[in-house]
Amino acid sequence: QVQLVESGGGVVQPGGSLRLSCAASGFTFSSYGMHWVRQAPGKGLEWVAFIRYDGSNKYYADSVKGRFTISRDNSKNTLYLQMNSLRAEDTAVYYCAKGNAYGDYVDYWGQGTLVTVSS
Amino acid sequence: SYVLTQPPSVSVAPGQTARITCGGNNIGSKSVHWYQQKPGQAPVLVVYDDSDRPSGIPERFSGSNSGNTATLTISRVEAGDEADYYCQVWDSSSDHPHVVFGGGTKLTVL
Repeated sequence: QVQLVESGGGVVQPGGSLRLSCAASGFTFSSYGMHWVRQAPGKGLEWVAFIRYDGSNKYYADSVKGRFTISRDNSKNTLYLQMNSLRAEDTAVYYCAKGNAYGDYVDYWGQGTLVTVSS
Repeated sequence: SYVLTQPPSVSVAPGQTARITCGGNNIGSKSVHWYQQKPGQAPVLVVYDDSDRPSGIPERFSGSNSGNTATLTISRVEAGDEADYYCQVWDSSSDHPHVVFGGGTKLTVL
């Protein structure tokens, strides 16, 4: 069965950096686009970024463009999110999510990792 | 950018039908997807491509999409259906395609 396990969350000071990882299993990772979606405490879902199956295209939410970078290593079945210049408003649970065949929706979600930006 | 509008809350008695709407400009021309999220859990896909159900999702969950409104319908509502529900589209109309979520609707089973 599909499993997505995030890691790398924690507490970081404003302006700091953090890299999230997502280990994927149970499907052919190199064939599917992947998303990062976040959820601030008590708030709704906010899409963060998407990367196509081969890494050829990457798309970002305006709120993170220029600060976050999505990447993948298909040889390791792992998705990454490099987060720089972190702000208090980036505090959220970050979900790794598998896209469907075309990437336009999520068919499986990880359990999420909490990122707290605070001094 | 494209905006999806959902009512903050919907309440329904057990056994009745819940309808959760998702409004957007000409949303009927897009594919709409719906997620259920229970407290402390990750979201789960319940309807995709307007009206299709993933395997394991009860037939009580259905969807429709036309004009400026998409609707998630939950028939014979059960206590276990109490959750937050989010609609979602892929907006490819701009030069930077992106995913858009609605603000979410809290379904309360009375």
